Amino acid sequence: DIVMTQSPDSLAVSLGERATISCKSSQSLLYTSDNKYYLGWLQQKPGQPPKFLIRWASSRESGVPDRFSGSGSGTDFTLTISSLQAEDVAIYYCQQFYTTPYTFGQGTKLEIK
Amino acid sequence: EVQLVESGGGLVKPGGSLRLSCAGSGFSFSNAWMNWVRQAPGKGLEWIAQIKSKPNGGTTDYATPMKGRFTISREDSKNTAYLQMNTLETEDTAVYYCATGGLGLDYWGQGTLVTVSS
Repeated sequence: DIVMTQSPDSLAVSLGERATISCKSSQSLLYTSDNKYYLGWLQQKPGQPPKFLIRWASSRESGVPDRFSGSGSGTDFTLTISSLQAEDVAIYYCQQFYTTPYTFGQGTKLEIK
Repeated sequence: EVQLVESGGGLVKPGGSLRLSCAGSGFSFSNAWMNWVRQAPGKGLEWIAQIKSKPNGGTTDYATPMKGRFTISREDSKNTAYLQMNTLETEDTAVYYCATGGLGLDYWGQGTLVTVSS
């Protein structure tokens, strides 16, 4: 199984500041046939189901604010929130869909400082 | 609007069985790949199983710990996916979500709570 490891486990950032979450996979998530990284990011607010934010490591889903961005290559990926808003308090998960069993990172809890 | 509604959760004794349902609307259910994901209390997300659409073969995949105990199925005429869970253990206590997608888990239901306890 592909192991997904996120860092840090928790993060406190001031409103308006940048938040950065890292995700590392135990093997490459690049599908050479289409040159895409099979990596997504999800947001889970308290008491809610997860919400899919970013696909292909860097492609925002419709309706996701542009302060959210994804980047990375190979086995190292990053979710960045450029200017933290109060509504961004949540747990963030990376997830690989390169192969089953799909696997998630352990989650990063983002709070306001 | 895409909607997924899970049902069938509840309290069950260790060793018991339960069947969860996931009713979908607002999208082409017959062309959707369906997944089940669970979240134990205070823990992270764990993918359980996937069933592809019939045009893509209708095949199933499972997380290793669930193979042989859990079975995913679908009934496209009812826009519903199922998760049959047998020989339940206390460690199976979790909120069970269904989610669409094979290239990312696009849409999620609100989840149904399964509690395994004597």
